[in-house]
Amino acid sequence: DIHMTQSPSSLSASVGDTVTITCRASQSIGSHFNWYQQKPGRAPKLLIYAASTLETGVPSRFSGSGSGTDFTLTISSLQPEDAATYYCQQSYTTPGFGPGTRVDIK
Amino acid sequence: QVQLVQSGAEVKKPGASVKVSCKVSGYSLGQLSIHWLRQPPGEGLEWMGGFDPEHDEKIYADNFQGRVTLIDDTSTDTAYMEMSSLRSEDTAVYYCAAAREYELLNNYYYAMDVWGQGTTVTVYS
Repeated sequence: DIHMTQSPSSLSASVGDTVTITCRASQSIGSHFNWYQQKPGRAPKLLIYAASTLETGVPSRFSGSGSGTDFTLTISSLQPEDAATYYCQQSYTTPGFGPGTRVDIK
Repeated sequence: QVQLVQSGAEVKKPGASVKVSCKVSGYSLGQLSIHWLRQPPGEGLEWMGGFDPEHDEKIYADNFQGRVTLIDDTSTDTAYMEMSSLRSEDTAVYYCAAAREYELLNNYYYAMDVWGQGTTVTVYS
C-alpha cells in the first residue's frame, strides 16, 4: 500500500498570507494526486487533480505542484472562507488519503 | 450535472448490519464510478471500496473485504453500501463519491469530483 503523509498537521495564518501544505507519498505516483478541502460538517470538495490542475470553479489563489513523491498545495492571499481541513489523495492505486492539515484563520 | 443524495442517519447495535443508499441524478449510475468512504468522528477519510472501470469490477479495501458489499441498482440509479457485523469502531460518517476520469496530454487521471452529503452511522449498545 502507498502511505501518504502531510505536514503540518495544523496551521494558523492571517488573511492575506500565503500558506503551503506538503504531502509525501511512500513511493512514486507520478501526477496521480489530488487535493480536497473539507469544512466542518460538510463533504470534501475537490480542489486540484493531476497534482496541479485546478478543478472548475476553484479560486485561482489555490495552486498545486509536484510529481513523483512530493507535492505541495499553496493558498495565496488566504481568505476567511479557506478555513478548513485539506486532504491529499493518491489515485495511482486504490485511493489513499493523507491525514489532513487543518487551516485556521488568526 | 451529477448529484448524489444519501439516505438518512442510522443507529445500530453491535453485530447488526446497515445499508446506506446513494441516489444518483443528472447521470445514469452505469455511467459513473461510485466509491464509498468513511470518516470517524474527528478523524480523516478512509476509502472503503468502489468501481474500477479499468477492470470493470468492484474493488474493496483490505480492511473491509468480506464485511462490506457494494450494490448497484441501475433500474433506480441507486448505489448501496451494506456493512455487516457492525462494531462501535464503525461509528462514522459514510460518503459516496463519483470518480471522474480526466484526460491530460494523453494521460488519464481520476479524482472524486462529486460527493454525497454523508450519512451518519452510529453503533452502540
